[in-house]
Amino acid sequence: SYVLTQPPSVSVAPGQTARITCGTSNIGNKGVHWYQQKPGQAPLLVVYDDGDRPSGIPERFSGSNSGDTATLTISRVEAGDEADYYCQVWGGGNDRLNFVFGSGTKVTVL
Amino acid sequence: EVQLVESGGGLVKPGGSLRLSCATSGFTFSVYNMNWVRQAPGKGLEWVSSISTMNSYIYYADSVKGRFTISRDNAKKSVYLQMNSLRAEDTAIYFCARVKYSGSYYFDLWGLGTLVTVSS
Repeated sequence: SYVLTQPPSVSVAPGQTARITCGTSNIGNKGVHWYQQKPGQAPLLVVYDDGDRPSGIPERFSGSNSGDTATLTISRVEAGDEADYYCQVWGGGNDRLNFVFGSGTKVTVL
Repeated sequence: EVQLVESGGGLVKPGGSLRLSCATSGFTFSVYNMNWVRQAPGKGLEWVSSISTMNSYIYYADSVKGRFTISRDNAKKSVYLQMNSLRAEDTAIYFCARVKYSGSYYFDLWGLGTLVTVSS
């Protein structure tokens, strides 16, 4: 089973770039998906399949995945981006279905 | 409007049972695999269970296997989670989530969740 490691927190000034990492061995071989969760709300998919964005998600959100690290990048950070962010991979096989989430990263906008 | 609405949460004693429901609308429910994901207070997300479109495949996290049962009714566009032998560590917000697949599975639509509290 996978363990996805994320930094507990990231702080960024408005207008700057936030980078949130998600690491495990050979994660570059997996599709990585990212969710934003604001307090009291349900998670929201912001990036899927490493770097694709669902409809309605700003272009400021982008993703990359290579080697042992996947990264969610938030450009031109806004106050409304303050939230917890979770990465997720599917560790599926022939006999089981296994969704694994990272431990989450709290993004604070200074 | 596309939405998932969970219900059935509440306070239950250890060892007790609860049945969660997730009513859906705005999309063709029968063609999507559905899941339950939970979040303990102040903690991260944990996948609980998954059911395929025609009940062909059902999976559970090891932490709930043998105690929880997922089911669905395509006519009612709803998915359910029967939770038995509940433990304090099952206390969490339970989210219903729709799954999509494009080489890898991900959750593209979530409900607001329903709170389950297991306490004496």
